[in-house]
Amino acid sequence: SQKIEQNSEALNIQEGKTATLTCNYTNYSPAYLQWYRQDPGRGPVFLLLIRENEKEKRKERLKVTFDTTLKQSLFHITASQPADSATYLCALGDPLSGGYQKVTFGTGTKLQVIP
Amino acid sequence: ETGVTQTPRHLVMGMTNKKSLKCEQHLGHNAMYWYKQSAKKPLELMFVYSLEERVENNSVPSRFSPECPNSSHLFLHLHTLQPEDSALYLCASSQDPTSGNTIYFGEGSWLTVV
Repeated sequence: SQKIEQNSEALNIQEGKTATLTCNYTNYSPAYLQWYRQDPGRGPVFLLLIRENEKEKRKERLKVTFDTTLKQSLFHITASQPADSATYLCALGDPLSGGYQKVTFGTGTKLQVIP
Repeated sequence: ETGVTQTPRHLVMGMTNKKSLKCEQHLGHNAMYWYKQSAKKPLELMFVYSLEERVENNSVPSRFSPECPNSSHLFLHLHTLQPEDSALYLCASSQDPTSGNTIYFGEGSWLTVV
């Protein structure tokens, strides 16, 4: 069966450093991979999407890589700030979806940026 | 403000009660979703409606009953729930995948079953 692992249930990092979060998956061939941010008590918010034929995507201080051979995505936040503290969810998109987004989510990694 | 509004934000109900969660999207999307989020578990997809037609129902107990009267509104009717149903219920919407792959979530409804 499909499995998504976001290793590190929690990650603490010093302000200013680069945070790196990992998403590994098995028994799956996603068409794309997404990263969402979720603050406590709120719904997830979309950050970045990377497709299966892309290696890297950047948006401001965020960078995502996608290695379909290793079945792994890395999510980097450079020059991290306390405001980046949140839970980050990885989500894999199914190539066949029939008019809607068929996406499977990981359990998330809780990032704490320490001032 | 994500364009997806959920009410109520918090709900406490007894096991014999009947209540409903409401969701409205102002984004012109064609698909709407209900997800359940429990502690230390991934988001679980419960129901999907595409163009007001239910297209996915992931083995959800019949005590949860969805309703999609039009493309902007989605309800989750709750009846004789169990304490283990206590969770954050998230509504979401999205465009057709050919137009984009982002899922827009509401702020969620915290449900406590006592």
